[in-house]
Amino acid sequence: GNSVTQMEGPVTLSEEAFLTINCTYTATGYPSLFWYVQYPGEGLQLLLKATKADDKGSNKGFEATYRKETTSFHLEKGSVQVSDSAVYFCALSPWKAAGNKLTFGGGTRVLVKP
Amino acid sequence: KAGVTQTPRYLIKTRGQQVTLSCSPISGHRSVSWYQQTPGQGLQFLFEYFSETQRNKGNFPGRFSGRQFSNSRSEMNVSTLELGDSALYLCASSFSSGRATDTQYFGPGTRLTVL
Repeated sequence: GNSVTQMEGPVTLSEEAFLTINCTYTATGYPSLFWYVQYPGEGLQLLLKATKADDKGSNKGFEATYRKETTSFHLEKGSVQVSDSAVYFCALSPWKAAGNKLTFGGGTRVLVKP
Repeated sequence: KAGVTQTPRYLIKTRGQQVTLSCSPISGHRSVSWYQQTPGQGLQFLFEYFSETQRNKGNFPGRFSGRQFSNSRSEMNVSTLELGDSALYLCASSFSSGRATDTQYFGPGTRLTVL
């Protein structure tokens, strides 16, 4: 079956530090890949997505590149802010799937200190 | 455009009771999916409804059920509640063009506590 593995947190950083959250997946073909972010007390917000190999998703300074050869979709941000403190989820949507059925990783809590 | 709304936001029930949660999708969205979020199991897919029909289903017991109305609003029901059903239940909607790249938009969730 499909699965997503992401690094466990918490990840604690100082403001303006570089952030990387690793994500690898297991799935057949070419799934679509997503990063969602969850702020305290809120639902999930889509951060970025990529739908085919070598695609780069980007939003709000965050980037992730779909690497088919390593089945990875690592999230990066060059300079984090306190407001980036949240839980980040990597997810996939199966290739050629009918409808919506996301498989999520376990989430990585990020804490940015001033 | 209003986002996905879920009611109620918080619920407290006792074991053996049943509960119904409601989700109103973004206007124009035809697909509604439900997810359960717990500290132990993380985010798990429950089911998806499209045009009042269940289109996808996760690996949950039959105590978990859902339905969708003609206006795309959806409800999920959990019967004979167990302590382990305590979770944040998230609803997500999408336009559903049929492509796997459809973006799902999540509501704030309903926090269910079973005592």
